Amino acid sequence: DAGVIQSPRHEVTEMGQEVTLRCKPISGHNSLFWYRQTMMRGLELLIYFNNNVPIDDSGMPEDRFSAKMPNASFSTLKIQPSEPRDSAVYFCASSLRPEQNSPLHFGNGTRLTVT
Amino acid sequence: GENVEQHPSTLSVQEGDSAVIKCTYSDSASNYFPWYKQELGKGPQLIIDIRSNVGEKKDQRIAVTLNKTAKHFSLHITETQPEDSAVYFCAASSGTSYGKLTFGQGTILTVHP
Repeated sequence: DAGVIQSPRHEVTEMGQEVTLRCKPISGHNSLFWYRQTMMRGLELLIYFNNNVPIDDSGMPEDRFSAKMPNASFSTLKIQPSEPRDSAVYFCASSLRPEQNSPLHFGNGTRLTVT
Repeated sequence: GENVEQHPSTLSVQEGDSAVIKCTYSDSASNYFPWYKQELGKGPQLIIDIRSNVGEKKDQRIAVTLNKTAKHFSLHITETQPEDSAVYFCAASSGTSYGKLTFGQGTILTVHP
């Protein structure tokens, strides 16, 4: 099992540019979560999917953020246009049956720097 | 919504000592309390969890206790080793939140050899 795979590991971009973060969940897991981690706010849930359908996007900070899950093995988080305050580590996590509190498995994150 | 408070924010111990991290939660409907360990440059990894029908759970040097009445739970690490140095997060979720975890702010644990 390769675990949750995120790409890129690091992204540096200029303010105003579009940023796309990618995630491949663990095969067979039917739920996928996007988290953002900063020193000030800790780990924040942005959005989560079940069976490729967005269930709760109340954590998405602004309309500049969007997430998709076109199939069970791939998800993207897009920021357009990016701003310096979006700089953070973005984690993707997947779970087999979160409604039964099965564990969340996190990827190693994408460190985003917006200058 | 749920609010999870975690203390202390930093903890420094000598190798072989015990370490205790405490968390409180606000939503009485919460029934699942996992603990995650995050090493530098990596994502959080689950190390132990406890459900609301259990008061204590132990796995080798790690134990977690839960007091539902007081709404607090704790992580205990005994015989600490330098490789235990990491950031530890507590979290809480309820059965109605579809597995949505609310995390504490984290504790930076440093174990000095």
